[in-house]
Parts: sequence; structure tokens; C-alpha cells
Amino acid sequence: QVQLQESGPGLVKPSETLSLTCTVSGGSISSYYWSWIRQPAGKGLEWIGRIYTSGSTNYNPSLKSRVTMSVDTSKNQFSLKLSSVTAADTAVYYCARDVVGASWFDPWGQGTLVTVSS
Amino acid sequence: QSVLTQPPSASGTPGQRVTISCSGSSSNIGSNTVNWYQQLPGTAPKLLIYSNNQRPSGVPDRFSGSKSGTSASLAISGLQSEDEADYYCAAWDDSLNGHVVFGGGTKLTVL
Repeated sequence: QVQLQESGPGLVKPSETLSLTCTVSGGSISSYYWSWIRQPAGKGLEWIGRIYTSGSTNYNPSLKSRVTMSVDTSKNQFSLKLSSVTAADTAVYYCARDVVGASWFDPWGQGTLVTVSS
Repeated sequence: QSVLTQPPSASGTPGQRVTISCSGSSSNIGSNTVNWYQQLPGTAPKLLIYSNNQRPSGVPDRFSGSKSGTSASLAISGLQSEDEADYYCAAWDDSLNGHVVFGGGTKLTVL
């Protein structure tokens, strides 16, 4: 079965760029949409954006100016970069497969906490 | 402020039936399917209902979903203590070049 694992620094300084990678195992990354979703402590889920294996992307309009996503099919990985971070970007970041590109997320990674602090 | 509106909390006693609503608009629920997620404390969300009313393999039939117009509902019958969790609805929104919107989440307490 497909499994997802997020990786990246757990601490990022304000104004710097947050970088995370999601590694897909147990199946091919090809022909699916792949999303990043975040959740601040005690709060709800926020969709950050998605990438198709062709490289086509859609981003949350509220984050679009700071988000870049990429995919590496040879490594079965996709990545997130969020620039100019502030404390408001502190959250658990999840990667997930969007089965049909319509908010049908399954499976999810376990999540990784990223704290923005100097 | 979430695009999809859910009640912040719901509760019920074991064995009861509970429903959680999710209200949206013509650009999201009104024109796209709704999916529901269950998040147990300290864990990643898990797909509970997809395409308005379909259950993934392994999800008990006590969970059901429905959609009408610009609203959707999640129903849990025969409530059990292990159902205590946060529940989120989600849908694609056709506005602004398309994006996913979530509800704010409903915390279900089993009394």
C-alpha cells in the first residue's frame, strides 16, 4: 500500500524559506495529484496546494505568492517551498495523495511539525 | 474564517445518531463532490467519506454522507466512544483558478 513520509527542517527562521519533501513508497508517484496541507496547533486544516506528476500546479490563493511546489518522479518525491515565513506559518505540515484531484486525500503522511522562530 | 461552515462542536451518547453539517456555496459544494475526514487526537486525518457518500474499505457502515445543493452532512449512527474525534469536510472550489477548501472542523464528544 502507498505510504507517504514528510521530511525537512523542524525549525526555520523568520523571513527564510521553509522546505519540505514528501517521499512516496509502495507505489508510483505518476498519474496522481499530490497535495500539501497544514494545521496550526489547535486549529483546522488548510490546503496549501497541489502538483500533478506533469508538473502542473494549483495553489491556495492566500499563499500563492509564497509557494512553490515541484516533483521528482525518478525519486518518487514531491516538494514544498514556502518563502518569507513568519510565526503564523508554524504548523504541522502533511503531504497527501489527491486521488482524483478533487480534495479526495488518501493516504496522508504522518505530518511534520515546522516551527518558525529565531 | 473557513470557506465551508461546520458547527465547532457536536455531542452524543453511545448508541445515538449524530449528524454534522457542512455548508458551502455554488462554487464548491454546489458544483463538486464533498469528502469527509476523521482526525483522532494526535494523528493525521483519515479519509472517512469520499464523493459525497462513498465509504473507503474498512470504514464502518455506521458512517454515512449525503449532499443536497450547497450543503452536505455526515451522519454517525450507533455512536461509539472511539468515534470521539475532529471531523472535517472538504471540497474543490472552482473560483480563483481552483483550489481546495476545508470546513473549520467539528469536535465530536461522546458523552
